[in-house]
Amino acid sequence: SQQGEEDPQALSIQEGENATMNCSYKTSINNLQWYRQNSGRGLVHLILIRSNEREKHSGRLRVTLDTSKKSSSLLITASRAADTASYFCATPSGGYQKVTFGTGTKLQVIP
Amino acid sequence: EAQVTQNPRYLITVTGKKLTVTCSQNMNHEYMSWYRQDPGLGLRQIYYSMNVEVTDKGDVPEGYKVSRKEKRNFPLILESPSPNQTSLYFCASSLGTGAGEQYFGPGTRLTVT
Repeated sequence: SQQGEEDPQALSIQEGENATMNCSYKTSINNLQWYRQNSGRGLVHLILIRSNEREKHSGRLRVTLDTSKKSSSLLITASRAADTASYFCATPSGGYQKVTFGTGTKLQVIP
Repeated sequence: EAQVTQNPRYLITVTGKKLTVTCSQNMNHEYMSWYRQDPGLGLRQIYYSMNVEVTDKGDVPEGYKVSRKEKRNFPLILESPSPNQTSLYFCASSLGTGAGEQYFGPGTRLTVT
């Protein structure tokens, strides 16, 4: 079953604006990961946040994790047209061998 | 170059004709996994493997088989494909466990008529 659910399903913003997408999950985790997928291509790992971390930064990406609410958010600052892609959260389960992906947020950045 | 390769990239086949999608990684990763991606459903895990000869079911294993005879290869086998297996398939690998960063192949688009 899908553990990660993301919202919004789709997001359209102007270049230069910030984009925020959210992920909720159902069970305890030891980490949460965000991936990016350009249309029809393989996913690319963006960032991993551990369960004992509340916030993590990587370039223009900022990820937060709230384990009490079982949710995470991905913020992309100063977005660019090249950020247009789908973004997925992923959480390990089943002894950290199974992996569950969310349904994804499709981001469109308009130049 | 470190990579995960899949073949074929595109495949159109008919119901019931056995097929194999190959996956290979050159990073000496322990963990490998297969996913299918369908519109509105995100990625769903089919099977995963923690090491050679060690495989286990993901969330949607029905109709699929896998094997892990060598560390670098993890083929996905559809013994009798059906139209509901039309999907985009991804192979991925990770250094340690499924909890680590995964590297994805380019995908195989399968159509079963």
